[in-house]
Amino acid sequence: DADVTQTPRNRITKTGKRIMLECSQTKGHDRMYWYRQDPGLGLRLIYYSFDVKDINKGEISDGYSVSRQAQAKFSLSLESAIPNQTALYFCATSAGGHYEQYFGPGTRLTVT
Amino acid sequence: GDSVTQMEGPVTLSEEAFLTINCTYTATGYPSLFWYVQYPGEGLQLLLKATKADDKGSNKGFEATYRKETTSFHLEKGSVQVSDSAVYFCALSQKLGFQKLVFGTGTRLLVSP
Repeated sequence: DADVTQTPRNRITKTGKRIMLECSQTKGHDRMYWYRQDPGLGLRLIYYSFDVKDINKGEISDGYSVSRQAQAKFSLSLESAIPNQTALYFCATSAGGHYEQYFGPGTRLTVT
Repeated sequence: GDSVTQMEGPVTLSEEAFLTINCTYTATGYPSLFWYVQYPGEGLQLLLKATKADDKGSNKGFEATYRKETTSFHLEKGSVQVSDSAVYFCALSQKLGFQKLVFGTGTRLLVSP
């Protein structure tokens, strides 16, 4: 089984809808991250969490919110989806004090 | 702020050709440097890393050397295979504070038989 899982893998939704993307990990890592990937822009950080009680905004947090339900679970919500949030979303984890991040397989989100 | 610049792709090669993907960075101090690879339909995987000047990271036949004097971390492989077709991301992370990963825009490699 994969160490970092994301659900759903693909989602099509309409403008204005609320949507949640979920991430779970079995690596036992404290730190979790949400990124979005757009063609030609690489990956940009949306939110990150060092532990259940420590959540921080990344460089592009507007229009997004997160919830760290447990050490192993980190969810990303789009409160009112808009078309320019169409992208590939990745969850990642890392152990405190280390530098490598481990990525999930991604969720392809399309907002029509 | 910190940034990473990669050569634009796609890079198109025949099998067994030599590969170089250029990566340069701008950062304060001495960050750690990484190459991540993204195969079609998958998430990113760490390919190799280097944490200090003149370190060479290597994995699966790929190599990259941390060059502080030229602020570069170019990815090389002597003989590519069709299975190496993927998108390659250069990234850096500061060793202190948040240790956020800063990514380049990615370079797509296409290897034909």
